[in-house]
Amino acid sequence: EAGVAQSPRYKIIEKRQSVAFWCNPISGHATLYWYQQILGQGPKLLIQFQNNGVVDDSQLPKDRFSAERLKGVDSTLKIQPAKLEDSAVYLCASSLILSRRWSTYNEQFFGPGTRLTVL
Amino acid sequence: AQSVTQPDIHITVSEGASLELRCNYSYGATPYLFWYVQSPGQGLQLLLKYFSGDTLVQGIKGFEAEFKRSQSSFNLRKPSVHWSDAAEYFCAVGALDGNKLVFGAGTILRVKS
Repeated sequence: EAGVAQSPRYKIIEKRQSVAFWCNPISGHATLYWYQQILGQGPKLLIQFQNNGVVDDSQLPKDRFSAERLKGVDSTLKIQPAKLEDSAVYLCASSLILSRRWSTYNEQFFGPGTRLTVL
Repeated sequence: AQSVTQPDIHITVSEGASLELRCNYSYGATPYLFWYVQSPGQGLQLLLKYFSGDTLVQGIKGFEAEFKRSQSSFNLRKPSVHWSDAAEYFCAVGALDGNKLVFGAGTILRVKS
């Protein structure tokens, strides 16, 4: 079974430029997550989708970050304009379906991430 | 709010030696606890999880973890470390809803031969 795919794997941009990351979740997975992992820190959830709807974007810096999952499959995360502090690894994860109860938790499977460097 | 502390940023152990990685959590109710491993250039892989029941949890790759409510800890252990275990390890706690995970800052494990 193919895992979560992300591209590009690496990206270097100048500050104030724009950048976009792409994620293709595991086939059949309804829930998709974007995490930001800054060097020396654990991953932090940015946004969570269930099919093509946003479940939680409370930690997404909406002045510069946007994400979409138009057809409920692939997703794109965009930063416009980028700042130096956006340098991080951006991880995408997917799970079978969102469950509001931990007793029916569905494991999140992570992609390899996109490493962004903002100069 | 939920939080996770991993006190050790780096740990170095000799191959064949035992390993214990520390994790302390802050959570108001019964915690849902996880350990993930991240190898260079790879995504996070789930090693094990604790939801309820037996406080000693077995995971993949020979890892186990023990939940101790009195100490708010969920330490990861392995009796004999292999060079391939060198990676970064993250402890996480499940938030109340939406299956959100709150991660610790990670512990980098180095294995010396």
